[in-house]
Amino acid sequence: NAGVMQNPRHLVRRRGQEARLRCSPMKGHSHVYWYRQLPEEGLKFMVYLQKENIIDESGMPKERFSAEFPKEGPSILRIQQVVRGDSAAYFCASSPTFGTSGEGDTQYFGPGTRLTVL
Amino acid sequence: AQSVTQLGSHVSVSEGALVLLRCNYSSSVPPYLFWYVQYPNQGLQLLLKYTSAATLVKGINGFEAEFKKSETSFHLTKPSAHMSDAAEYFCAVKPGGSQGNLIFGKGTKLSVKP
Repeated sequence: NAGVMQNPRHLVRRRGQEARLRCSPMKGHSHVYWYRQLPEEGLKFMVYLQKENIIDESGMPKERFSAEFPKEGPSILRIQQVVRGDSAAYFCASSPTFGTSGEGDTQYFGPGTRLTVL
Repeated sequence: AQSVTQLGSHVSVSEGALVLLRCNYSSSVPPYLFWYVQYPNQGLQLLLKYTSAATLVKGINGFEAEFKKSETSFHLTKPSAHMSDAAEYFCAVKPGGSQGNLIFGKGTKLSVKP
């Protein structure tokens, strides 16, 4: 069973451009979480999605950031008009529905996308 | 509000020595607790988790952690450090159980000296 996939692994953007980060959850997982990791910091929660629904976006900046998890295809984290402060590692995690073989409480992480804004 | 505190941003031990990484949490409801390890330029790998069953939890690579409600702690230990244990370790809490986001500590970088 393939793990959580994220692409690209590294992304360089100039200020004002758009960044699109993709996450394919583990097979059979219907819950996706996005986290951001700044240097010398732990991971900070951004958004929690199920298929076609945003469940909790309390960690998302109010402007320029959006996320989706369509019925078909990967989850997308989109950052419009990037600024230098957006430079960070962005991690996606997935989990199955709670009650599925006792693993619904566990999040499995992808390798991350490292965004650099010039 | 729920939070996680990891004491010591850097810990250095000699190979073969005891590893002790500290984690304290605050949660108004019985928490689920996790330890993850991150190797350079990689994602997070689950070491172990506590989900209200046995208070002493055994994980991968010889690590274990004990949930102590009275101390609101979930410290990570390993009897004998190996060079390959050098990495960053994150403690996380998921308040209120099953689904929902994780709240992470700031991490502890473990160095292992030969």
